[in-house]
Amino acid sequence: EAGVAQSPRYKIIEKRQSVAFWCNPISGHATLYWYQQILGQGPKLLIQFQNNGVVDDSQLPKDRFSAERLKGVDSTLKIQPAKLEDSAVYLCASSGRLAGGPNEQFFGPGTRLTVL
Amino acid sequence: AQSVTQPDIHITVSEGASLELRCNYSYGATPYLFWYVQSPGQGLQLLLKYFSGDTLVQGIKGFEAEFKRSQSSFNLRKPSVHWSDAAEYFCAVGVNDMRFGAGTRLTVKP
Repeated sequence: EAGVAQSPRYKIIEKRQSVAFWCNPISGHATLYWYQQILGQGPKLLIQFQNNGVVDDSQLPKDRFSAERLKGVDSTLKIQPAKLEDSAVYLCASSGRLAGGPNEQFFGPGTRLTVL
Repeated sequence: AQSVTQPDIHITVSEGASLELRCNYSYGATPYLFWYVQSPGQGLQLLLKYFSGDTLVQGIKGFEAEFKRSQSSFNLRKPSVHWSDAAEYFCAVGVNDMRFGAGTRLTVKP
């Protein structure tokens, strides 16, 4: 079974530029998550999708961050304009329903963003 | 609100020695608890999880964890550490609204 795919793996941009990240979840997984992991910290949830609808985006800085999940499969996360403090690893995860239990999240390798 | 505390930022152990990584949680209901490992440049890999039942949970790579409700803890253990276990370890609580601890970096001395 293929895992969660993310691209690019690395991105370097200057502040005020825009950037986009792509995620392809595990086939059949209805729930998709985007996390931000700043160096030295644990991942922080930015947004959660159930199919193509947003379930939780309470921690997404909506003035500069946006995300979409068209057709309930792939997802993109965009930052516009980027700030220095956005330098982090952006992790995508997906989960599917387990019989008799709550969902388990599977993580992609992440995109490391450096904002100069 | 749910939260996770990992009191140890960095731990160093000798290869072959035993390991215990601490995790304390705050959660309003029966917690779903996880331990993940992250190697440099990699995503998070699930080591083990606790949903219900037996409070001693076995995971991959020889790891185990014990859920102690009275202490709000879910400590990770391994009887004999290998050099390849050097990585960052994260405890997490919740399911859809998962919250992660800040992580514990494990260094293994030869």
